[in-house]
Amino acid sequence: DAGITQSPRHKVTETGTPVTLRCHQTENHRYMYWYRQDPGHGLRLIHYSYGVKDTDKGEVSDGYSVSRSKTEDFLLTLESATSSQTSVYFCAISLLWDTEAFFGQGTRLTVV
Amino acid sequence: ELKVEQNPLFLSMQEGKNYTIYCNYSTTSDRLYWYRQDPGKSLESLFVLLSNGAVKQEGRLMASLDTKARLSTLHITAAVHDLSATYFCAVGENNDMRFGAGTRLTVKP
Repeated sequence: DAGITQSPRHKVTETGTPVTLRCHQTENHRYMYWYRQDPGHGLRLIHYSYGVKDTDKGEVSDGYSVSRSKTEDFLLTLESATSSQTSVYFCAISLLWDTEAFFGQGTRLTVV
Repeated sequence: ELKVEQNPLFLSMQEGKNYTIYCNYSTTSDRLYWYRQDPGKSLESLFVLLSNGAVKQEGRLMASLDTKARLSTLHITAAVHDLSATYFCAVGENNDMRFGAGTRLTVKP
C-alpha cells in the first residue's frame, strides 16, 4: 500500500448521528479523494482535495462534508448519517491531477 | 455528464482462453485508467493510458485506448486463475475520475 491509512476500518452507527472518517497519507501527494463503493455502481466520487484547505464536490456530495487542514489528512464527515450512506468508503491519493490514484484499504460503514 | 460503461459486467472464462473487456465513455477525455480489485480488498492500479493509441502490457493483460472511438479495451491472454478479480476502468475529466461499474472476472480450471 502507498502509505495510506483509513480509520476506522469498520463502523456501525445509528441513523441521525454524525460520523467522521479519516484518511492519512505519508506520501505527500497533493490530491486526495473520497469515494464510496456500492454494488452495481463502481466507485463514485464524494469530494476531493487539491491542496490544504482546497476542496471540491464530486458526483455524490450531498450529506457529506470534508476538511483538509494538513497535507497528510483528509476527513470525511457524514453530518447526519442515513441508511443510504451504508457503503464502503475508499480514500485515494494521487501525486498530480492526471496520474494514477492509490487507494486505502477502505472503511465499511453501516448505518442502522 | 461523463458516463462510463463497461461490458461485460460478469465474465466467466476457462483457463487458457482469451477475452476482452470493453470500456466506453461519453467525453473526449484522453485519460483512462484500469484498476483491479480482489474481493474485500482495495483497488490496485494496473494501467494508465494518456494518449490516443496508447497500448500497455503487463503479463497476460494488455490495455489500449482509442480516444476517437471513446473506447478502451483490456485484453486477457491465456487466462489463469490468479486473474480472477473485478476490473474497473476509470476516465479522467478535470480533477475527477469517473469509474465504470466493474467487470467481475472468474477464471475456471
